[in-house]
Amino acid sequence: RKEVEQDPGPFNVPEGATVAFNCTYSNSASQSFFWYRQDCRKEPKLLMSVYSSGNEDGRFTAQLNRASQYISLLIRDSKLSDSATYLCVVGGSGAGSYQLTFGKGTKLSVIP
Amino acid sequence: ETGVTQSPTHLIKTRGQQVTLRCSSQSGHNTVSWYQQALGQGPQFIFQYYREEENGRGNFPPRFSGLQFPNYSSELNVNALELDDSALYLCASSLAPSNQPQHFGDGTRLSIL
Repeated sequence: RKEVEQDPGPFNVPEGATVAFNCTYSNSASQSFFWYRQDCRKEPKLLMSVYSSGNEDGRFTAQLNRASQYISLLIRDSKLSDSATYLCVVGGSGAGSYQLTFGKGTKLSVIP
Repeated sequence: ETGVTQSPTHLIKTRGQQVTLRCSSQSGHNTVSWYQQALGQGPQFIFQYYREEENGRGNFPPRFSGLQFPNYSSELNVNALELDDSALYLCASSLAPSNQPQHFGDGTRLSIL
C-alpha cells in the first residue's frame, strides 16, 4: 500500500463547479497534513494546512479524519485559475527526521 | 522576505558525470530538505539538513550527498549520474525540522543523456 494515495485524475469540471479531492495515508503516526498546488513545470506551493477541526480559506475547505486516515479538499465555485495538480502531503518522523510524503497528485482542469 | 532560490534552473549532463545543485533557503529558515520529482510523480524525499548536518534520509543511494553551510544554504551532489536521475530537483526550507510547512524553490530540471 502506498503511503499517501489520492484520487486518480484527471478531473475536468466546468467553471463554477464544486470539486472534491480525497486522500488516504497509511502511517497512523503522521503528525501534519497539507494540500499543495503545483502548476505545470513549476514548484509545489502550499495551499493550506489541514487540521482535525477542519479549516476553510475562501473557496477552499480542508478536512482531516485521523481515525480513518483520510484527508479531503473541497473547492467551491471553481475558477479557470484553479487548474493545477493538487498534492496531498503528510508530514511525520521517518528516516531519522521529520519529512513530507507526497501523493502522486490529482490534476484538475477547469473548463470555460 | 526572500523566498527559496535554486540554481541552475536547467542542466543537461551525460551518464557517469557528477552534478552539484544549489539552494538558498528562505530568510529565517534553518532547515533545508531536498526532493526528487520524476515526471508524473509526487516529490520523493532525498534528505534534510539542519545545523549543517544530515538530519534524515530517504531511500536514495550514497551517490546522492549534500551539504549545508552556516548561512543555511545547501548543495545537493549526485555522482555517477544515471538516466533515471533525470527529474526535477526541489529544495524546500522550513523554520525547523518539525511540523512547519515547507516552502519550495523553483527547482532544477536535470536531464541525463
